[in-house]
Amino acid sequence: EAEVAQSPRYKITEKSQAVAFWCDPISGHATLYWYRQILGQGPELLVQFQDESVVDDSQLPKDRFSAERLKGVDSTLKIQPAELGDSAMYLCASSSIIRDRNWRTSGNTIYFGEGSWLTVV
Amino acid sequence: RKEVEQDPGPFNVPEGATVAFNCTYSNSASQSFFWYRQDCRKEPKLLMSVYSSGNEDGRFTAQLNRASQYISLLIRDSKLSDSATYLCVVNRSGGFKTIFGAGTRLFVKA
Repeated sequence: EAEVAQSPRYKITEKSQAVAFWCDPISGHATLYWYRQILGQGPELLVQFQDESVVDDSQLPKDRFSAERLKGVDSTLKIQPAELGDSAMYLCASSSIIRDRNWRTSGNTIYFGEGSWLTVV
Repeated sequence: RKEVEQDPGPFNVPEGATVAFNCTYSNSASQSFFWYRQDCRKEPKLLMSVYSSGNEDGRFTAQLNRASQYISLLIRDSKLSDSATYLCVVNRSGGFKTIFGAGTRLFVKA
């Protein structure tokens, strides 16, 4: 069972309605990600947090999507209004830092939650 | 051109076969590399990291070629349970930028 907790697992909503997803990352992971994955494609980063700060939201459709991580722990992703094209799996993930022999940051290992399936009708 | 590219497949192989996937990346500043496995309608899970010296874990071998900017995954003695999508993942910018490939689908048949 994944240690990154997400809810709800499944959500069906009508277009133009609001929908929200919640994520609780692995304890101690400072970096939290929200990805969107459409069937047949790889995960696409929507937003990345380092503690409570957004470090990358370049692919987040800001006219309808918002994300917050107020206390630097759990996070919420909101869509308002939902559109038919938003139907996808929304994945939350958190990461631990990989350090090289000189204690420099060299990478992140990302751990995913089970995902939240959104269907917009 | 996408920063990380994979052959989408699908690769259809019989049980016991050896199969190899390649993944190319375009940013020479990429620092660390991974293969993830994703089962149908499930979340991606880390399969293995890819080290400069190569990495082997049982039937799985990962290689990195920095000069040609590609990584590979070799699966020996394929099992039915290996059927999944394999995602190539690249880190850069001190590990804070992570790019996923679109994945390669593998079907192993009896």
